[in-house]
Amino acid sequence: NAGVTQTPKFQVLKTGQSMTLQCAQDMNHNSMYWYRQDPGMGLRLIYYSASEGTTDKGEVPNGYNVSRLNKREFSLRLESAAPSQTSVYFCASTPQETQYFGPGTRLLVL
Amino acid sequence: GIQVEQSPPDLILQEGANSTLRCNFSDSVNNLQWFHQNPWGQLINLFYIPSGTKQNGRLSATTVATERYSLLYISSSQTTDSGVYFCAGTLPGANNLFFGTGTRLTVIP
Repeated sequence: NAGVTQTPKFQVLKTGQSMTLQCAQDMNHNSMYWYRQDPGMGLRLIYYSASEGTTDKGEVPNGYNVSRLNKREFSLRLESAAPSQTSVYFCASTPQETQYFGPGTRLLVL
Repeated sequence: GIQVEQSPPDLILQEGANSTLRCNFSDSVNNLQWFHQNPWGQLINLFYIPSGTKQNGRLSATTVATERYSLLYISSSQTTDSGVYFCAGTLPGANNLFFGTGTRLTVIP
């Protein structure tokens, strides 16, 4: 039981490049989330998916798109990366209340 | 959204000391949770505590929902307790957690 896994762990992009962050959970949870964490701050919600086939915007969705591929997987895409998107990205899942987090992806956009 | 204020922002403790961390919310919240982010960045859920008191070993938490605050108690602190502690909650009926900016705890031997 791996819990919540994220790939890649680290990534460096140039401004304007695109990439997809992958997240998978093996706990059969319905809801999944993408957050970003900037230095010295708490996490802010980018997008979430309450169940397979549904996605909704969170607090800071601009510049991102998501896909809930199936119950296990929830991906986050940056179509044209900007330096302001340099951050640590966390994926989380929940059966109902308690959220379980992946190890994070550190993204640097130059 | 909800404004989440945590205090103190930084705390340095001698190993073995006790501490209390506080979280205030600007509005009524549901699904109040406490997390620990270790020095390697991993986030671990400590408590799901929408109201009342819970204990888990040396840690305990109390939420007074009517007064919109929650407290996290750490007793007999250890160096492994170091890291950042976050509280978070959702608006009633919503799914998205709003996080505070955290309390950075350093426990020195």
